[in-house]
Amino acid sequence: RKEVEQDPGPFNVPEGATVAFNCTYSNSASQSFFWYRQDCRKEPKLLMSVYSSGNEDGRFTAQLNRASQYISLLIRDSKLSDSATYLCVVRRGGSYIPTFGRGTSLIVHP
Amino acid sequence: GAGVSQSPSNKVTEKGKDVELRCDPISGHTALYWYRQSLGQGLEFLIYFQGNSAPDKSGLPSDRFSAERTGGSVSTLTIQRTQQEDSAVYLCASSLDGYNEQFFGPGTRLTVL
Repeated sequence: RKEVEQDPGPFNVPEGATVAFNCTYSNSASQSFFWYRQDCRKEPKLLMSVYSSGNEDGRFTAQLNRASQYISLLIRDSKLSDSATYLCVVRRGGSYIPTFGRGTSLIVHP
Repeated sequence: GAGVSQSPSNKVTEKGKDVELRCDPISGHTALYWYRQSLGQGLEFLIYFQGNSAPDKSGLPSDRFSAERTGGSVSTLTIQRTQQEDSAVYLCASSLDGYNEQFFGPGTRLTVL
């Protein structure tokens, strides 16, 4: 089983839709969790950290479920500009090297 | 403030030549990472530097790859005797202390002919 797994998609949604991605991780000692977005031929950029209590940033909500070992990202009121690949990143305790998922592709169409 | 910078942005070289890629991390960040990303693929970890500690080289794919970090700041990734399979985007990232989020540079797109 891969350390971090994501559905590659693509998720194809209309503008205004709500879409959610999950990311599962295998190491129960994982401590830090992040979502990054990567536009085509660009570098990954931090979207948000994921906290135990869950957190929200505008239209984006991130959740952590330690019992089931997954994190989620919810995007409300999708915009065309949300089209990108969303990378799940997990760092296990005691390690400085995070593990990146392969990413989930989102396409928002008019 | 200034983000992570990398140079060159693009590099085209011939098979068998050596190349050097440079990364300038965010000032004050002690942790520095190199990754590579082939077209349509995920990020592949190469090497990690933390302050003055010995680097974690566990991701380097062969002994043709090496990296240095001088004075705890600028880093150089060197690929000797380049091969066509080395063609990829090489990304550098820095982090305040290795526990927090990473910030990526724009990458160097390497093409080996």
